[in-house]
Amino acid sequence: EPEVTQTPSHQVTQMGQEVILRCVPISNHLYFYWYRQILGQKVEFLVSFYNNEISEKSEIFDDQFSVERPDGSNFTLKIRSTKLEDSAMYFCASRILAGGPPDTQYFGPGTRLTVL
Amino acid sequence: AQSVTQPDIHITVSEGASLELRCNYSYGATPYLFWYVQSPGQGLQLLLKYFSGDTLVQGIKGFEAEFKRSQSSFNLRKPSVHWSDAAEYFCAVGARGGGNKLTFGTGTQLKVEL
Repeated sequence: EPEVTQTPSHQVTQMGQEVILRCVPISNHLYFYWYRQILGQKVEFLVSFYNNEISEKSEIFDDQFSVERPDGSNFTLKIRSTKLEDSAMYFCASRILAGGPPDTQYFGPGTRLTVL
Repeated sequence: AQSVTQPDIHITVSEGASLELRCNYSYGATPYLFWYVQSPGQGLQLLLKYFSGDTLVQGIKGFEAEFKRSQSSFNLRKPSVHWSDAAEYFCAVGARGGGNKLTFGTGTQLKVEL
């Protein structure tokens, strides 16, 4: 069964450093998402991406964050200058349809980001 | 704005007992509703979803959920819990239109006693 994959599974970085989290969505999916889950808290929406542009973003997704689909398979989340409060589990998700009912979002296993 | 409330942070049940996890939502129109399960160190796995039609939906692993518009609820049930069901359960509401972002509840941690 196709699945969303994410690398790395765990990333440790120093405050102020740039990090890139990588995701490979399911191959025929059109909509891509990033969510994050701070330890002990709920999963929060960050951004959705369709047709090579951001469809929607949350207030969390400020200028320090960016997303990109650099090729036909990868979907990346970049944090330009990490802060301690960026420490969280970051989930990538994808879904097949654009428009209409929100077909199921399939989630990857997550990347745990630790900012020291 | 859409929101989800899961009033129970932790629930403990005995193996073989029935289970009901509560979920209340707030949304301005007919919602799209989901239940996801997260095992320790794992991602989010979809258990079931409601878009329209029959208000009782069946999911994987023997779970079901009932949409009750009058109560703004989408409670998850299982008639007989197995030890492997121990995990965290998240209810989510999906926005209509746009990117269909999901808004999650705070989750319910299920512990199963043998």
